[in-house]
Order: sequence, then structure tokens, then C-alpha cells
Amino acid sequence: DSGVTQTPKHLITATGQRVTLRCSPRSGDLSVYWYQQSLDQGLQFLIHYYNGEERAKGNILERFSAQQFPDLHSELNLSSLELGDSALYFCASSVVQWGGELFFGEGSRLTVL
Amino acid sequence: GENVEQHPSTLSVQEGDSAVIKCTYSDSASNYFPWYKQELGKRPQLIIDIRSNVGEKKDQRIAVTLNKTAKHFSLHITETQPEDSAVYFCAASKDTGFQKLVFGTGTRLLVSP
Repeated sequence: DSGVTQTPKHLITATGQRVTLRCSPRSGDLSVYWYQQSLDQGLQFLIHYYNGEERAKGNILERFSAQQFPDLHSELNLSSLELGDSALYFCASSVVQWGGELFFGEGSRLTVL
Repeated sequence: GENVEQHPSTLSVQEGDSAVIKCTYSDSASNYFPWYKQELGKRPQLIIDIRSNVGEKKDQRIAVTLNKTAKHFSLHITETQPEDSAVYFCAASKDTGFQKLVFGTGTRLLVSP
């Protein structure tokens, strides 16, 4: 158990819909990262927050947005879903802002039908 | 931005053999290079990392080497065991500034008894 909690674990929805994925980082970790892992693919960086502020952004689609709240939990919002958005979405947290070990959650598997 | 290439994509070895996975990175300012192991259906976990002020780091049967001039780093696993079978990801970033941790595409290692 990494201490990072992601909900929901599984989510099935239809094209055009909107979903919210939630992440609670390890106690004391201020950094939260979101990664997308498609079937048999690598880990695509989406976005990084540190203590509530956006620190870096990857090739995140405009249909996707995220935020980190004052209690440090983070949410990833995916809207106007397409079939290609089906993937495993990982959240990871770290105690440092950059250059430290990432502790990954178990992931949220999104299936868009 | 940073780009990380990883080879090979798949690697099959016999138990007891050594395995080597190689990565190259594009940004010469990158100075933090972690390796993550992802077992089937599980979350990625850090197994070893190296910073640019050292050329090699060992931890029991695993070692990482870094060649900053050539911008490549490698993971070496000796005396492989079936439980080493997993997907291994290299990554690179700077540990200062607004940086993102960019992962390679992964190497699927299969260790046969």
C-alpha cells in the first residue's frame, strides 16, 4: 500500500460524458502528479501540482482539467469523453516539489463505450 | 521539452542471466533519473534512482549507470529471477524549476525459469 488513494477504481461511461477522478496523496506529500496509461503503453504525464499550484503540464487535452484543493487532494476532470480516452489514470504523490520518489496509487481504470 | 527513449521494448532471459535496459534522454540539463517497476496489474514502484553527480549506483542485484556526455543511462539486473518479470520504465527530469518527470515507453522483461 503506497498510501495514495484513488477513486473510483473502475469507471464505465459513454462517449460525450464527463467524469471526475479523485486522488488523496500520502499524508504530508504536497506534490500530486497525474499520468495516463493506455493499454500496453507507457506513462504519459498529464499535470503536476504542488501545494495547490500547478507546476508543470504535459500534453493534457483541453477537455481535461485538474486541480489540487487546500486539503491537498486532487481531482482530474475529463469531459466530452471519447473512446480513445479509455485508459488507466494514475495519481502519484511526492514529498518534494521535484526530483523525488513518486508514490503511485492503484489507478482509476476508465472505459468509454 | 525532455524526450526519453527506451530499448528494448521486450526482453526475454533465462533465470540467472543478466538483463540490461537502456535509455537515452534529450535534455542535457536533466539531472534526475529514476527507474520504476510495474508488475502486471499493479502500480509502478521506484526501484532505484540516480542523480547526475554520480556515475553508478548499486542496490543488491540492480545497478544503474549514467553517461551524461552521451545522455544515456542503463539499468542492469544480475542473477535474474522469475519475480523480476515486469515492465520497467526509465524516466528523466531536472530537480529544479517547473519540470515534469518524463517516462520512457517501457521494457517488458520476462524471466523464464
